[in-house]
Amino acid sequence: RKEVEQDPGPFNVPEGATVAFNCTYSNSASQSFFWYRQDCRKEPKLLMSVYSSGNEDGRFTAQLNRASQYISLLIRDSKLSDSATYLCAVNGDNAGNMLTFGGGTRLMVKP
Amino acid sequence: DAGVIQSPRHEVTEMGQEVTLRCKPISGHDYLFWYRQTMMRGLELLIYFNNNVPIDDSGMPEDRFSAKMPNASFSTLKIQPSEPRDSAVYFCASSKGEEGTDTQYFGPGTRLTVL
Repeated sequence: RKEVEQDPGPFNVPEGATVAFNCTYSNSASQSFFWYRQDCRKEPKLLMSVYSSGNEDGRFTAQLNRASQYISLLIRDSKLSDSATYLCAVNGDNAGNMLTFGGGTRLMVKP
Repeated sequence: DAGVIQSPRHEVTEMGQEVTLRCKPISGHDYLFWYRQTMMRGLELLIYFNNNVPIDDSGMPEDRFSAKMPNASFSTLKIQPSEPRDSAVYFCASSKGEEGTDTQYFGPGTRLTVL
């Protein structure tokens, strides 16, 4: 089993739709969680950190479920510009700053 | 702030040649990471440094790969000899390392093609 797993997609959604991605992790002692966005042929860029209490940034909401060991990303009112690959990243308890990335979920927002 | 700088951005070489990838982390960041990304295997951590010292190189695929960080502002990843299966995008990332702020910032990557 991979340490961090994501559905690769692609998720094809119309503009304005709400879409959600999940990411499961295997290390129950993981402490830090992140969502990164990666555009085609570009580097990953931090979208948002995921806090225990959940957090929201505009149309984006991230949540953590420690009991079931997954994090989620919800995108409301999808825009064409949201089309990208979304990578989740998890670090371990004593892994310093080492992150393990999921394989990414590809989102395509259609007009 | 300049961000993480990598060079070259593209490299095409022939099998058996030596390849050197370069990275300049964000000033003041204590951690530097080298990743490789392919369609098949996704984003894989190769090695990371803390204060110029290699901490974990378990992701380095084999002895053909080596990485150095001679000072806080420069790191290299060397492949010698290169093989076609090394073709990938190689990213360098850096982070500040403070608790709660371990966001990693990625450079633009080096797209390596080994013929």
